[in-house]
Amino acid sequence: GNSVTQMEGPVTLSEEAFLTINCTYTATGYPSLFWYVQYPGEGLQLLLKATKADDKGSNKGFEATYRKETTSFHLEKGSVQVSDSAVYFCALSEGYGGSQGNLIFGKGTKLSVKP
Amino acid sequence: EPEVTQTPSHQVTQMGQEVILRCVPISNHLYFYWYRQILGQKVEFLVSFYNNEISEKSEIFDDQFSVERPDGSNFTLKIRSTKLEDSAMYFCASSLGSSWGRPYEQYFGPGTRLTVT
Repeated sequence: GNSVTQMEGPVTLSEEAFLTINCTYTATGYPSLFWYVQYPGEGLQLLLKATKADDKGSNKGFEATYRKETTSFHLEKGSVQVSDSAVYFCALSEGYGGSQGNLIFGKGTKLSVKP
Repeated sequence: EPEVTQTPSHQVTQMGQEVILRCVPISNHLYFYWYRQILGQKVEFLVSFYNNEISEKSEIFDDQFSVERPDGSNFTLKIRSTKLEDSAMYFCASSLGSSWGRPYEQYFGPGTRLTVT
């Protein structure tokens, strides 16, 4: 079955450090890939997405590239801010074959950024 | 900007009681979902709903659970007889669906924290 594996946290960085959160997936078809972010006390917000191989999703300085050959979708940001402290979830969904696109999530990676 | 809303934000109930969690999806969306997140664990898919019927459900969504869209705006999740292990954050989501096999993104509500004592 489909699954998502992402690096265990927590990750603690200093402000302006470089961030990478690894995500790999297993899928039977050609999924779309997503990163969602959950700020403390809030729901899930879509951060970025990519719908086919080699697509790069980007938003708010974050980016991730859909790599079919390595089945990966790693999240990166060149310079993190304290306000980026949150839990980040990698997810996939497939929108065909009868599926209504239900999301399959990784376990989440908690990021703490210190001033 | 349109958003998904959920009520209540926190529900405390006793084991064996019935609870109804409510959601108002974004108005022009066609697909509706429930997910849950047990504290410290991953977000898990429960059920999807389209055209007034269940499209898919996970193993978690057993006979204790039901969903309904009673009036064209609300989307509800009912747990008939709650268990301690039902304690979790429940998220509602909605989307436009998919286009050419590519699913549109899902927009999530803020969640309802359910505590079963």
